[in-house]
Amino acid sequence: DGGITQSPKYLFRKEGQNVTLSCEQNLNHDAMYWYRQDPGQGLRLIYYSQIVNDFQKGDIAEGYSVSREKKESFPLTVTSAQKNPTAFYLCASSSAGTGVKSPLHFGNGTRLTVT
Amino acid sequence: DAKTTQPTSMDCAEGRAANLPCNHSTISGNEYVYWYRQIHSQGPQYIIHGLKNNETNEMASLIITEDRKSSTLILPHATLRDTAVYYCIVRVARNTGTASKLTFGTGTRLQVTL
Repeated sequence: DGGITQSPKYLFRKEGQNVTLSCEQNLNHDAMYWYRQDPGQGLRLIYYSQIVNDFQKGDIAEGYSVSREKKESFPLTVTSAQKNPTAFYLCASSSAGTGVKSPLHFGNGTRLTVT
Repeated sequence: DAKTTQPTSMDCAEGRAANLPCNHSTISGNEYVYWYRQIHSQGPQYIIHGLKNNETNEMASLIITEDRKSSTLILPHATLRDTAVYYCIVRVARNTGTASKLTFGTGTRLQVTL
């Protein structure tokens, strides 16, 4: 079955440490996205990538970094500069083409807790 | 992209139709209406989208008013598994090659009960 895999489901880190969240898709989608969700809140876009080796900042990119070396993979690094890193992180992908015909497909998220 | 307004929460009895409203009074002529839902601790799931005609698929129906200022998502026979947060989003359909980034608000929390 095609889909998006995020790992691990739960992640715990000490404050001051960088941590990388994994996102892999086998849907052959060109575009990939990272969203953050806080309790009781909607989703906020961190970074997105339309093609390999290219990515753009979303609405809350500060304290985060990404890479897109392969079409299938879009890892997100939460750096020590991110002031409130504890959150639920969601990765998504979509095919190229118009937004109408390319809805977002989401993974099941990684819940990061930093203490 | 136009802003949407949804009720914070709704209840529905199992087996009955769930009608979830969404107001998008500032929608532009080239903006589509999308619906997603998020079951607790999972990623959002695409449900349906439309421009001005009513749409139906295996999951739900989407009714858009003639002036396109509001829409209703209908789950014809709600089950307990439909308990989730439902997001209504409006955005322009982008040109080829442009990412489909969407803005998710807080949505409507639908509770289906026995």
